[in-house]
Formats: sequence, structure tokens, C-alpha cells
Amino acid sequence: EAQVTQNPRYLITVTGKKLTVTCSQNMNHEYMSWYRQDPGLGLRQIYYSMNVEVTDKGDVPEGYKVSRKEKRNFPLILESPSPNQTSLYFCASSPRTGASNQPQHFGDGTRLSIL
Amino acid sequence: QKEVEQDPGPLSVPEGAIVSLNCTYSNSAFQYFMWYRQYSRKGPELLMYTYSSGNKEDGRFTAQVDKSSKYISLFIRDSQPSDSATYLCAMSGRGNQFYFGTGTSLTVIP
Repeated sequence: EAQVTQNPRYLITVTGKKLTVTCSQNMNHEYMSWYRQDPGLGLRQIYYSMNVEVTDKGDVPEGYKVSRKEKRNFPLILESPSPNQTSLYFCASSPRTGASNQPQHFGDGTRLSIL
Repeated sequence: QKEVEQDPGPLSVPEGAIVSLNCTYSNSAFQYFMWYRQYSRKGPELLMYTYSSGNKEDGRFTAQVDKSSKYISLFIRDSQPSDSATYLCAMSGRGNQFYFGTGTSLTVIP
């Protein structure tokens, strides 16, 4: 089954304790992305990756890191989490076809609470 | 000004009604337009994908894009209780970023 898998689905942690949210896709997609979803603000793009070893900032990258060492994996790293990073996070992937931006497949989300 | 504006609702309609959902945008470079449906505790799933202006129909769903007015719409005919969800518009241009609306919450009452 084609899917984007995020782990963990839920996490409660404390300020300053480094954490990693993993994302893996089994569709051989080139493009992967992380979003956060907040009430009244919608989905906002944090980082995206066009392919292995290629990453770029989205609209809200502050406080986050990503890496793309393998095509299937795109982990999101919070080096020193703060309460304003409490949110619902989604990973997404899509194929790249020429210059067109294909719609993305989303994971089921990670609800992160930072106390 | 936000890149994409979407009325959050909530919208409540009786079963069988025609539903109209809309988004406006400010960036004239957008040329790829998407509608996603999101159920509670799930990720968004793609409903419709259109390139540039025009209409696209898929079953009970019709997507319209009017680039001259920077306005996109999603119509749902013969709405069903299973259509109750949050609907997100999304768009992209020549760059590699995607911009989403805040979502409209829809409830279809049996």
C-alpha cells in the first residue's frame, strides 16, 4: 500500500529536549515536505526537499532542521523545542514530473505538545 | 496579506444540497490548484487537481479556476453525510512551495 508513515503519532515532551519526528514514504517520490497545522493559520510549510541531499526552507523554518540522506526518509528535528512549536505536524511527498508541482500524499500527522 | 484566503465556516447543509467552497489568492504566478479533504485525526487527501484556468469534474465534485479573478471554487453536488470534513485549497507556482488555505469545515446533516 502506497503511504507516508510518520512516527510518533503523539508526543508530549519538555522545553529544550531534542526530538526527532521520522517520515518515510514507499512511493519512490522525489519531493518531500514538512508542514505544521495550527488553528486559524492552516497548513504552513516548514521545509521541503527536491531530492536526496537537497533541502530548502519553507515559510516557517525557524527552530527546525531536516535532512534527506535517503530518498524514502525525511526526518524533522527540533534541536531545542519550545512551547510555540506545539502543533500538529504533517509530512508529505509527491513525484516530480518535469517542472510541474504534483499534488502531495500526506501522512496522518504527529501531534506534538511541548510543555 | 496572506497568499491564500479561505472562509473557515463552519458550513452546515442538509443532505442532498449543493455545496460551494471558495478560495482567493494574491499571487498571479500560481498555476497549480488543488482541493484536499481532511477528516478528523487524519492527513489531508487529494480531491481535485487542476492546472491553470478552467473547470474539472470528477463524479459529484467540480473544481473551477478563474485566474483573472484569482478565485477558485469546489462544488459538491448531492452532498452526503460522509462529505462532512474540512476542505483545504492549495496552490503552487513555478517554485517548489505549496500554499494552503486555512480550511472550511463542512457538516452535511442527514
